[in-house]
Amino acid sequence: NAGVMQNPRHLVRRRGQEARLRCSPMKGHSHVYWYRQLPEEGLKFMVYLQKENIIDESGMPKERFSAEFPKEGPSILRIQQVVRGDSAAYFCASSPLAGANVLTFGAGSRLTVL
Amino acid sequence: GENVEQHPSTLSVQEGDSAVIKCTYSDSASNYFPWYKQELGKGPQLIIDIRSNVGEKKDQRIAVTLNKTAKHFSLHITETQPEDSAVYFCAASSDNNDMRFGAGTRLTVKP
Repeated sequence: NAGVMQNPRHLVRRRGQEARLRCSPMKGHSHVYWYRQLPEEGLKFMVYLQKENIIDESGMPKERFSAEFPKEGPSILRIQQVVRGDSAAYFCASSPLAGANVLTFGAGSRLTVL
Repeated sequence: GENVEQHPSTLSVQEGDSAVIKCTYSDSASNYFPWYKQELGKGPQLIIDIRSNVGEKKDQRIAVTLNKTAKHFSLHITETQPEDSAVYFCAASSDNNDMRFGAGTRLTVKP
C-alpha cells in the first residue's frame, strides 16, 4: 500500500501562471481532503471531495481555486493566475469513510510563486 | 462550524521531562479527536486518537485525555526524547463535519 501520493512535491510558478497539484488517495479510500499550510502556521481546511462530487468547499477561496476528484485518476487542486500569497504547502489526506475517521496525509506539495 | 484552539504555540522541555499540549473545541457534536505529529518537510502523521466515548487513552509514552463537558482535550508525552521534537496538531471532527485542526505546537526537546 503506497499511501497517499502527492505530486509534484515542489512546484515553482510565476505570478499569473496556473498550478495543478495532484493527489492519489490510499487504495480503497474514496474520500479526499485538501488542506493548506502557510509557513509556521496550522492546517487550514480547503475542500472535501468524494468521487465525482464536491462535498464541502467552504474553505476554498471563491476565485481562482478549484478542485475535482474524477471517477478515474487522482484528485486535482487547481490554482489559476497564481499570486505570491498562494505560496504554501498543500496537503492532501484520504479516508475510507465519511465522518469522524482517521485521515492519512500525503507528504505535501510545496508551491512557490515568484 | 468547529473551531479548535491549541496551546501553547511553542514548548521547550528538557529530555526526560513531560510535555503537555492542550486544545479546546467549540462544536459539542464533535466526537473524534486525533493528534498528529509533523516533522520538518513531511506530512502530518497520526500518533494517537480518542473518541468521545472514552476519557483517556494511552500508548506507551503518549496519552490523551478528553473532557467532553469542558470541551477540551490534551496530549501528554512522558520521558521526552529529542526525536519527539516536531510540530504537533490537535484536531476535532464529527460525523457531519470535516476535520478541523488547531494551529499547532512546536515542541523542542533539549538533550
